[in-house]
Amino acid sequence: QIQLVQSGPELKKPGETVKISCKASGYTFTDYSMHWVKQAPGKGLKWMGWINTETGEPTYADDFKGRFAFSLETSASTAYLQINNLKNEDTATYFCARGATARRGYAMDYWGQGTSVTVSS
Amino acid sequence: DIQMTQSPASLAASVGETVTITCRASENIYYSLAWYQQKQGKSPQLLIYNANSLEDGVPSRFSGSGSGTQYSMKINSMQPEDTATYFCKQAYDVPWTFGGGTKLEIK
Repeated sequence: QIQLVQSGPELKKPGETVKISCKASGYTFTDYSMHWVKQAPGKGLKWMGWINTETGEPTYADDFKGRFAFSLETSASTAYLQINNLKNEDTATYFCARGATARRGYAMDYWGQGTSVTVSS
Repeated sequence: DIQMTQSPASLAASVGETVTITCRASENIYYSLAWYQQKQGKSPQLLIYNANSLEDGVPSRFSGSGSGTQYSMKINSMQPEDTATYFCKQAYDVPWTFGGGTKLEIK
């Protein structure tokens, strides 16, 4: 069965770096894009961007340009989200989600369980 | 950016009641609209894509409709397990944007 399994919760200080993993299984990793979504505590969903799993090319939403980086380890069917120079406002749960094909409207059809990142001094 | 205005923000419905949630896009999104359900403490799950196509395994009491800038999702006969927050999302143009969410509870 298709699964996206994310790494565990993180507690970081401002200015530090965090790297979250998202391991895919049950499908061919490079056949589908991978997206990242932020959910601040008690808030809605915010699309951060996506990475082309064939080419490794990332696309970032404007609010996530600069300190955020998507990457891949294709041999391990794993996508990563790295956040540098962490700020208090980065405290959130981060989800990876598989991007479906154009025929299915590029919907996000499978989601990881989420990784909680807490930034506090 | 395309703004997605979702309403209502919260709603309480009785078991068996029909529930309708709407999303209005700031411009035509040409049916590129999905609906997600998020239960408390869980990750979102895809319910509907392309505005009106039901995802495999989703109960048939869920349905989607709409076109242009106006879309809606209906739950025929609300069930206790439908208690959740629902989000619409457009994928017509980057950045993809979500509605603010509708928190649906049992009355």
